[in-house]
Amino acid sequence: AIQMTQSPSSLSASIGDRVTINCRASQGIRHDLRWFQQKSGEAPKLLIYAASSLQSGVPSRFSGSGSGTDFTLTITSLQPEDLGTYYCLQDHDHPHTFGQGTKLEIK
Amino acid sequence: QIHLVESGGGLVKPGGSLRLSCSASGFIFSDYYMTWIRQTPGKGLEWIADIASSGATSHYADDVRGRFTISRDNAQNLLFLQMSGLRVDDTAVYFCARDPPDYWGQGTLVTVSS
Repeated sequence: AIQMTQSPSSLSASIGDRVTINCRASQGIRHDLRWFQQKSGEAPKLLIYAASSLQSGVPSRFSGSGSGTDFTLTITSLQPEDLGTYYCLQDHDHPHTFGQGTKLEIK
Repeated sequence: QIHLVESGGGLVKPGGSLRLSCSASGFIFSDYYMTWIRQTPGKGLEWIADIASSGATSHYADDVRGRFTISRDNAQNLLFLQMSGLRVDDTAVYFCARDPPDYWGQGTLVTVSS
């Protein structure tokens, strides 16, 4: 199975900061990567698909980049509602696999 | 709008069985692959299984293959997960989602305990 290694596991940032979260695949997955945001007690919400495509309705401060094995989720100008845990998912091959998550806290 | 609603969770003893259902609305169910994903505090999000739009093919995580069966009823817009041989470490919130995951249900809690 393809392993997804996400970093950092947690981070604390201030409102207005630029935040980056990384995900590395154990083998090449082309652009077959999704990013999700999960708030406490809720289901995950899709932010980015195909590594860099913004899901409809998601604020433009979220962006994704990367291909092959290395991917990045960037939040420009962090907002209070961005608090939560972020996960990557590879849907290149079965079994699909998630990163272990990055817990984002607001300073 | 798109709605996915899981049901069927509950408390079951180790070795027992449970059938989860997911009712879909707001999209043409028979056009989409569907998937089950679970979440535990210890292991985070874990993809479990998916099924083709026709129901003809399915894939499973190694951990559940042979114990869980995914199926669907396109006439009723329903997705199912039949779980047998349940273990304590199957305790989780189980989500259904369109596949590849975009819209998710709110989840149903399965607790396996004696």
